[in-house]
Formats: sequence, C-alpha cells, structure tokens
Amino acid sequence: AQSVSQHNHHVILSEAASLELGCNYSYGGTVNLFWYVQYPGQHLQLLLKYFSGDPLVKGIKGFEAEFIKSKFSFNLRKPSVQWSDTAEYFCAVTPDYTSGTYKYIFGTGTRLKVLA
Amino acid sequence: GAVVSQHPSRVICKSGTSVKIECRSLDFQATTMFWYRQFPKQSLMLMATSNEGSKATYEQGVEKDKFLINHASLTLSTLTVTSAHPEDSSFYICSASKETQYFGPGTRLLVL
Repeated sequence: AQSVSQHNHHVILSEAASLELGCNYSYGGTVNLFWYVQYPGQHLQLLLKYFSGDPLVKGIKGFEAEFIKSKFSFNLRKPSVQWSDTAEYFCAVTPDYTSGTYKYIFGTGTRLKVLA
Repeated sequence: GAVVSQHPSRVICKSGTSVKIECRSLDFQATTMFWYRQFPKQSLMLMATSNEGSKATYEQGVEKDKFLINHASLTLSTLTVTSAHPEDSSFYICSASKETQYFGPGTRLLVL
C-alpha cells in the first residue's frame, strides 16, 4: 500500500539550531510532494511543494526541501529555527495526480518544539 | 489567495441530532474538495473526496449514510453528520483543491 513515513515524531531544538525533518514515501510512479505546517490552534498552511523541475524547493519562512527520487525522500530543512517555528509539520504526497484527483497521502506528522 | 473557510468553527449538539458543516473556497474555484477528521495529536484521516456535481467518494470504513456530502458548486461543499453520537466528536477539516490542497480552519464538533 502507498504510504508516507515521517520518522521523527517529536523534535526538540534550541533556537538557531538547524532542522531537518525526514519524509519518505512508497510509490514508484510520478508524485507531487508537499510540506504543510500546523501552528497551535491554527489550520494547515502550505510551506512548499514540488511538482517538477529543480529538486531543491524553497518555501515560505526560510524553509526548503529536497526531492531525492532515488531515495523516495522529500526532507524539510531550515538552517536556523526560531521559537515561532514550534508547530506540527506534515508531509503529503499525491501519488496519482495524473487521474485528476489530487488525493493526498499524509505522513503522521512531526511535532517540533523550539526552545527559546 | 487560496483561502478556504469553514462554518461553524465550533458546534455542540445533542446525541441523535444532525449537524451541517460548510466549506467554501473564497477566491478560487475548486475542482475537488476533501473532508478529513483529525484526532488529537494525530494526522489527518481522509474521509471522502467530493467533486462538484457528482457523488462523493468515501474512504474505506467511512459510512456514507452517516456523513452526507453535498458539493453544490465549485466553491461550496457541505458535510452533514447525521444522527450524531459522542464518538463522532472530532475535528473536521475540509480542503479545496486545484492541484494543491488548501485547508480550512476546521470545525470542532462535540456531541453530548
């Protein structure tokens, strides 16, 4: 079955530390890839997405992600986190967008806590 | 752009009653809308996919007669929880999609 794995369930970092959150998917075909963030009490917001082209994608708030097709990975990175980055981060994959149905498969989420 | 609203944001109802939740895409026409449940400290669970003018496609294990979805236009989808029970208490989230899904703020349902 198609799945998305986020291996880090909880991450605690100090401000200014670098961040990398893992995302791996199990699907051999062409995919669209997304990272969303959910701040406490707020709705999911799109951080960045990859459809095609440059595998290094830059998003909002200083986040970036790299698509490595051979590793089926789409890891999220930020060189220096801030206290305001405390949130839950979700990776999502659209494994069958060619059918016109952009149904997501979500990862289980990674809860990030940044200590001031 | 790409703003999605949900109404109501919170609702409390008695067991056995029905509750309707609206999802609107405010500044774009969405070919597809999705309905999710989110349990505390967990990821989103897709309930159904809704295309304008056609019947919704429900995920395995989701009762279509209990969770009625109507997609009246390219900007509005509704989810009606019929004969709600306490176990239906949850956070319901919709998204509207072109190629990327944009999420609403969610509706917290509490069934007493």
